[in-house]
Order: sequence, then C-alpha cells, then structure tokens
Amino acid sequence: KNEVEQSPQNLTAQEGEFITINCSYSVGISALHWLQQHPGGGIVSLFMLSSGKKKHGRLIATINIQEKHSSLHITASHPRDSAVYICAVSRDDKIIFGKGTRLHILP
Amino acid sequence: EPEVTQTPSHQVTQMGQEVILRCVPISNHLYFYWYRQILGQKVEFLVSFYNNEISEKSEIFDDQFSVERPDGSNFTLKIRSTKLEDSAMYFCASSPLRGGLAGGRADTQYFGPGTRLTVL
Repeated sequence: KNEVEQSPQNLTAQEGEFITINCSYSVGISALHWLQQHPGGGIVSLFMLSSGKKKHGRLIATINIQEKHSSLHITASHPRDSAVYICAVSRDDKIIFGKGTRLHILP
Repeated sequence: EPEVTQTPSHQVTQMGQEVILRCVPISNHLYFYWYRQILGQKVEFLVSFYNNEISEKSEIFDDQFSVERPDGSNFTLKIRSTKLEDSAMYFCASSPLRGGLAGGRADTQYFGPGTRLTVL
C-alpha cells in the first residue's frame, strides 16, 4: 500500500468549476506539500503546510492531522491550471510522493 | 528571483557508462535533494544532503550512486555504471531549512527543471 494516496487519479472539468483533489497518508509527517508539475515536466511547490489552511490566489490547501488527510482546492478553474498536482509528505529527511492527479480544464 | 539550475537538460549515454548530473542550488540554501521520475511514474526520493554528508537515502540509491558538493555551489549526482532502468528525469531541489522531522522544521523545496537521462 502506498504511504501517500491521492484521488482522483484523473480529473476533467469545465472552466470555472470548483476543483477538489484529495490526499491521504498513513505515516507520521512533519509537513505536507502540494506540488504542481507542468506538462513540460517542471515541478513547482504550491504549498507546504503542517496544520490548518493556506490560501494563495485561487488555490486553497487544508490539512487535518488527526485524520491524516489534505485537500487542494482550485476556485474558478482555468485551462492554464491544467497540470499534474502532486501531494507529498515530509518524513525524516526525505519526501514521499503520491502518484499525482492529472487535471484537465476544458475551455 | 533565485532558482535552482540543472545541467545538462538532456543526457544520452550508453549502458555501463558513468554520468554526472549537475545542479546549482539556490545560494543561501543548506539542504539539497535528488529525485527521479521514470516516464509515466511518480516522483521518487533518492537522497538528501546536508553539511557535506548524506542525511538520508532511499533503497534506490545503491552503491552505483553518489553525491558530492565539490565547490560550495555545485551539487552533483554520479551514476557509476548506468543501466537501462536508470533512464528517467532527475530533479535536484534545495531548501533553506531541513525538510524532515529530526531536529528542524520542514520547509519548502525549490526544484530545478530536471535532467532527462536516456540510457541506450
């Protein structure tokens, strides 16, 4: 069983829709990361959080430490949000990655 | 804005050859990482490096792999004798603070653009 599970694996939505991507983990962590991988392969860190909620523009990330669960929300989605969104957790001196959620926003 | 750089962007090599992948982390960062992503698969942790030594490595990081920070700015990953299954995108990352549990708080990692390694 993967230590970090994401759902859904693939998501297609219309422009403007509210998007939710979920992440569950089974190990003790010091922080959880949400990353975006562009179609060209580059990886950008979106959020790092260890409790509560963070917001940056149209992106919101929440974490529930007790339930070992995090969500990434995108409001007013746009075709340029199309990418793979990766949940990863910091454990000791390494990061464990989920398999990613491929998001496709249709114009 | 400072960024992590990696060279080359694409390396093609014959099986059994040695390759060195180079990374220049952000200058005031203290923690350095290598990851790999085989085509179509998830990103995998290889190694973390702090204070001129490996702080953690995965089971992938066997004796064929080594890392070095030779001159205080570059951070290199060497694969001694490449195998076909080493073909992947290799990402370097750096962070100002420790990315894990022991002794420090986690911090955002900044990723380089990656080096695509193709082993023939």
